[in-house]
Amino acid sequence: EIVLTQSPGTLSLSPGERATLSCRASQSVSSSYLAWYQQKPGQAPRLLIYGASSRATGIPDRFSGSGSGTDFTLTISRLEPEDFAVYYCQQYGSSRGITFGQGTRLEIK
Amino acid sequence: QVQLQESGPGLVKPSQTLSLTCTVSGGSISSGGYYWSWIRQHPGKGLEWIGYIYYSGSTYYNPSLKSRVTISVDTSKNQFSLKLSSVTAADTAVYYCARAKAAAGYSDYWGQGTLVTVSS
Repeated sequence: EIVLTQSPGTLSLSPGERATLSCRASQSVSSSYLAWYQQKPGQAPRLLIYGASSRATGIPDRFSGSGSGTDFTLTISRLEPEDFAVYYCQQYGSSRGITFGQGTRLEIK
Repeated sequence: QVQLQESGPGLVKPSQTLSLTCTVSGGSISSGGYYWSWIRQHPGKGLEWIGYIYYSGSTYYNPSLKSRVTISVDTSKNQFSLKLSSVTAADTAVYYCARAKAAAGYSDYWGQGTLVTVSS
Protein backbone atom coordinates (compact mmCIF):
# COMPACT_ATOMS: atom_id res chain seq x y z
CA GLU A 1 0.00 0.00 0.00
CA ILE A 2 1.28 3.44 -0.93
CA VAL A 3 1.52 5.83 2.02
CA LEU A 4 1.14 9.55 1.42
CA THR A 5 2.83 11.92 3.86
CA GLN A 6 1.79 15.56 3.80
CA SER A 7 3.85 18.43 5.16
CA PRO A 8 3.69 20.60 7.03
CA GLY A 9 0.96 19.42 9.36
CA THR A 10 -0.10 23.00 9.93
CA LEU A 11 0.79 26.06 7.87
CA SER A 12 0.20 29.55 9.28
CA LEU A 13 0.06 32.31 6.67
CA SER A 14 -1.64 35.62 6.03
CA PRO A 15 -4.10 36.49 3.24
CA GLY A 16 -2.21 37.51 0.12
CA GLU A 17 0.73 35.22 0.86
CA ARG A 18 1.74 32.18 -1.16
CA ALA A 19 1.09 28.69 0.24
CA THR A 20 3.08 25.62 -0.71
CA LEU A 21 1.81 22.24 0.48
CA SER A 22 3.74 19.02 0.00
CA CYS A 23 2.62 15.43 -0.53
CA ARG A 24 5.26 12.71 -0.59
CA ALA A 25 4.51 9.12 -1.58
CA SER A 26 6.24 6.03 -0.20
CA GLN A 27 6.66 4.79 -3.77
CA SER A 28 6.20 6.25 -7.20
CA VAL A 29 2.70 7.38 -8.13
CA SER A 30 1.53 8.01 -11.66
CA SER A 31 0.79 11.71 -12.05
CA SER A 32 -2.52 10.71 -13.60
CA TYR A 33 -3.62 9.32 -10.26
CA LEU A 34 -2.79 12.13 -7.83
CA ALA A 35 -5.52 14.48 -6.62
CA TRP A 36 -5.92 17.28 -4.08
CA TYR A 37 -9.00 18.21 -2.03
CA GLN A 38 -9.99 21.10 0.20
CA GLN A 39 -12.19 20.54 3.23
CA LYS A 40 -13.79 23.19 5.38
CA PRO A 41 -15.36 22.47 8.80
CA GLY A 42 -18.66 20.65 8.56
CA GLN A 43 -18.37 20.22 4.80
CA ALA A 44 -17.52 17.39 2.46
CA PRO A 45 -14.16 17.54 0.69
CA ARG A 46 -14.05 19.48 -2.57
CA LEU A 47 -11.95 18.35 -5.51
CA LEU A 48 -9.33 20.95 -6.44
CA ILE A 49 -6.76 19.19 -8.62
CA TYR A 50 -6.70 15.88 -10.47
CA GLY A 51 -4.01 14.29 -12.58
CA ALA A 52 -1.51 16.15 -10.39
CA SER A 53 -1.95 19.45 -12.24
CA SER A 54 -5.42 19.77 -13.78
CA ARG A 55 -7.83 22.11 -12.02
CA ALA A 56 -11.31 20.79 -11.38
CA THR A 57 -14.32 22.65 -12.71
CA GLY A 58 -14.81 26.04 -11.10
CA ILE A 59 -11.49 26.07 -9.21
CA PRO A 60 -9.76 29.47 -9.32
CA ASP A 61 -6.45 29.67 -11.12
CA ARG A 62 -4.62 30.69 -7.94
CA PHE A 63 -4.65 26.95 -7.17
CA SER A 64 -2.05 24.91 -9.02
CA GLY A 65 -0.61 21.43 -8.70
CA SER A 66 2.72 20.03 -9.77
CA GLY A 67 5.07 17.15 -9.25
CA SER A 68 5.82 13.63 -10.34
CA GLY A 69 7.08 10.33 -9.03
CA THR A 70 7.00 10.58 -5.24
CA ASP A 71 6.86 14.36 -4.72
CA PHE A 72 3.81 16.48 -5.41
CA THR A 73 2.96 20.07 -4.51
CA LEU A 74 -0.19 22.13 -4.21
CA THR A 75 0.43 25.86 -4.51
CA ILE A 76 -2.00 28.65 -3.72
CA SER A 77 -0.50 31.76 -5.27
CA ARG A 78 -2.27 34.47 -3.24
CA LEU A 79 -4.30 33.34 -0.28
CA GLU A 80 -7.87 34.52 -0.02
CA PRO A 81 -9.76 34.36 3.32
CA GLU A 82 -11.86 31.46 2.04
CA ASP A 83 -8.76 29.34 1.34
CA PHE A 84 -8.05 28.63 4.99
CA ALA A 85 -9.05 25.00 5.37
CA VAL A 86 -7.61 21.48 5.49
CA TYR A 87 -6.06 20.07 2.33
CA TYR A 88 -5.67 16.38 1.46
CA CYS A 89 -3.78 14.63 -1.29
CA GLN A 90 -5.05 11.30 -2.62
CA GLN A 91 -3.64 8.61 -4.85
CA TYR A 92 -5.24 5.84 -6.86
CA GLY A 93 -3.04 2.76 -6.97
CA SER A 94 -2.34 -0.05 -9.39
CA SER A 95 -4.40 -2.34 -7.18
CA ARG A 96 -7.28 0.13 -7.70
CA GLY A 97 -7.14 1.11 -4.05
CA ILE A 98 -7.27 4.69 -2.84
CA THR A 99 -5.23 6.28 -0.06
CA PHE A 100 -5.26 9.78 1.38
CA GLY A 101 -2.58 11.81 3.04
CA GLN A 102 -3.16 12.83 6.64
CA GLY A 103 -3.91 16.42 5.68
CA THR A 104 -2.37 19.88 6.02
CA ARG A 105 -4.24 22.50 8.01
CA LEU A 106 -3.86 25.98 6.51
CA GLU A 107 -4.61 28.55 9.19
CA ILE A 108 -4.66 32.33 9.33
CA LYS A 109 -1.57 33.81 10.92
CA GLN B 1 -25.61 18.55 -11.67
CA VAL B 2 -24.97 15.25 -9.94
CA GLN B 3 -26.06 15.05 -6.32
CA LEU B 4 -25.49 12.31 -3.76
CA GLN B 5 -27.36 11.89 -0.49
CA GLU B 6 -26.53 9.45 2.30
CA SER B 7 -29.27 7.95 4.45
CA GLY B 8 -29.41 5.47 7.29
CA PRO B 9 -29.39 5.16 11.08
CA GLY B 10 -27.28 7.63 12.99
CA LEU B 11 -26.84 5.25 15.91
CA VAL B 12 -25.75 1.63 15.75
CA LYS B 13 -25.10 -0.74 18.63
CA PRO B 14 -21.71 -2.44 19.02
CA SER B 15 -21.41 -5.79 17.22
CA GLN B 16 -24.30 -4.91 14.91
CA THR B 17 -24.16 -4.05 11.21
CA LEU B 18 -23.98 -0.47 9.99
CA SER B 19 -26.11 0.06 6.88
CA LEU B 20 -26.13 3.19 4.73
CA THR B 21 -27.59 4.01 1.34
CA CYS B 22 -26.51 6.67 -1.12
CA THR B 23 -29.11 8.00 -3.54
CA VAL B 24 -27.76 9.53 -6.74
CA SER B 25 -29.66 12.18 -8.68
CA GLY B 26 -28.76 14.15 -11.78
CA GLY B 27 -26.91 11.24 -13.31
CA SER B 28 -27.26 7.51 -13.81
CA ILE B 29 -25.11 4.96 -12.01
CA SER B 30 -25.64 2.69 -15.04
CA SER B 31 -24.01 5.09 -17.47
CA GLY B 32 -20.57 3.78 -16.52
CA GLY B 33 -17.27 5.58 -16.27
CA TYR B 34 -17.39 6.04 -12.52
CA TYR B 35 -16.82 4.20 -9.30
CA TRP B 36 -19.39 4.76 -6.57
CA SER B 37 -17.48 5.13 -3.35
CA TRP B 38 -17.74 5.16 0.40
CA ILE B 39 -15.25 7.19 2.43
CA ARG B 40 -15.30 7.88 6.15
CA GLN B 41 -13.79 10.42 8.49
CA HIS B 42 -13.32 9.76 12.18
CA PRO B 43 -14.08 12.80 14.38
CA GLY B 44 -11.32 15.35 13.98
CA LYS B 45 -9.28 13.02 11.77
CA GLY B 46 -8.43 12.48 8.13
CA LEU B 47 -10.17 10.67 5.29
CA GLU B 48 -10.28 6.88 4.99
CA TRP B 49 -11.38 5.14 1.80
CA ILE B 50 -13.73 2.22 2.51
CA GLY B 51 -14.36 0.91 -0.98
CA TYR B 52 -16.24 1.39 -4.21
CA ILE B 53 -18.45 -0.38 -6.71
CA TYR B 54 -18.80 -0.14 -10.45
CA TYR B 55 -22.26 -0.25 -12.02
CA SER B 56 -21.55 -3.81 -13.16
CA GLY B 57 -21.19 -4.88 -9.54
CA SER B 58 -17.39 -5.13 -9.42
CA THR B 59 -16.14 -4.06 -6.02
CA TYR B 60 -12.84 -2.94 -4.51
CA TYR B 61 -12.35 -2.63 -0.78
CA ASN B 62 -9.80 -1.17 1.60
CA PRO B 63 -7.78 -4.23 2.72
CA SER B 64 -8.00 -3.11 6.35
CA LEU B 65 -11.82 -3.25 6.25
CA LYS B 66 -12.39 -5.88 3.59
CA SER B 67 -13.49 -8.66 5.95
CA ARG B 68 -16.35 -6.53 7.29
CA VAL B 69 -17.46 -4.49 4.26
CA THR B 70 -20.04 -5.14 1.58
CA ILE B 71 -20.94 -2.54 -1.05
CA SER B 72 -23.85 -3.21 -3.37
CA VAL B 73 -25.66 -1.33 -6.12
CA ASP B 74 -29.31 -1.08 -7.15
CA THR B 75 -29.31 0.49 -10.59
CA SER B 76 -33.12 0.46 -10.75
CA LYS B 77 -33.23 2.85 -7.81
CA ASN B 78 -30.00 4.65 -8.75
CA GLN B 79 -28.64 3.82 -5.31
CA PHE B 80 -25.65 2.08 -3.82
CA SER B 81 -25.24 0.84 -0.29
CA LEU B 82 -22.69 0.12 2.40
CA LYS B 83 -22.83 -2.59 5.03
CA LEU B 84 -20.15 -2.73 7.73
CA SER B 85 -20.47 -5.65 10.11
CA SER B 86 -19.37 -6.20 13.70
CA VAL B 87 -19.01 -2.51 14.41
CA THR B 88 -17.22 -1.08 17.43
CA ALA B 89 -16.79 2.44 18.77
CA ALA B 90 -13.83 2.76 16.40
CA ASP B 91 -16.31 2.81 13.50
CA THR B 92 -17.90 6.02 14.76
CA ALA B 93 -17.33 8.47 11.92
CA VAL B 94 -18.87 10.68 9.30
CA TYR B 95 -19.58 8.49 6.29
CA TYR B 96 -19.49 10.05 2.82
CA CYS B 97 -20.60 8.63 -0.48
CA ALA B 98 -18.89 9.98 -3.57
CA ARG B 99 -18.51 9.54 -7.31
CA ALA B 100 -14.99 8.67 -8.41
CA LYS B 101 -13.73 8.77 -11.96
CA ALA B 102 -12.98 5.23 -13.05
CA ALA B 103 -9.33 4.51 -13.91
CA ALA B 104 -8.31 7.80 -12.30
CA GLY B 105 -9.77 7.52 -8.82
CA TYR B 106 -10.50 11.15 -8.02
CA SER B 107 -13.91 12.00 -6.52
CA ASP B 108 -15.66 14.94 -8.15
CA TYR B 109 -19.01 14.76 -6.40
CA TRP B 110 -19.63 14.03 -2.72
CA GLY B 111 -22.60 13.63 -0.47
CA GLN B 112 -22.87 15.92 2.54
CA GLY B 113 -21.90 13.09 4.87
CA THR B 114 -23.76 11.42 7.70
CA LEU B 115 -22.51 10.87 11.23
CA VAL B 116 -22.83 7.33 12.48
CA THR B 117 -22.22 6.75 16.16
CA VAL B 118 -21.58 3.28 17.52
CA SER B 119 -22.80 3.09 21.08
CA SER B 120 -24.99 0.95 23.28
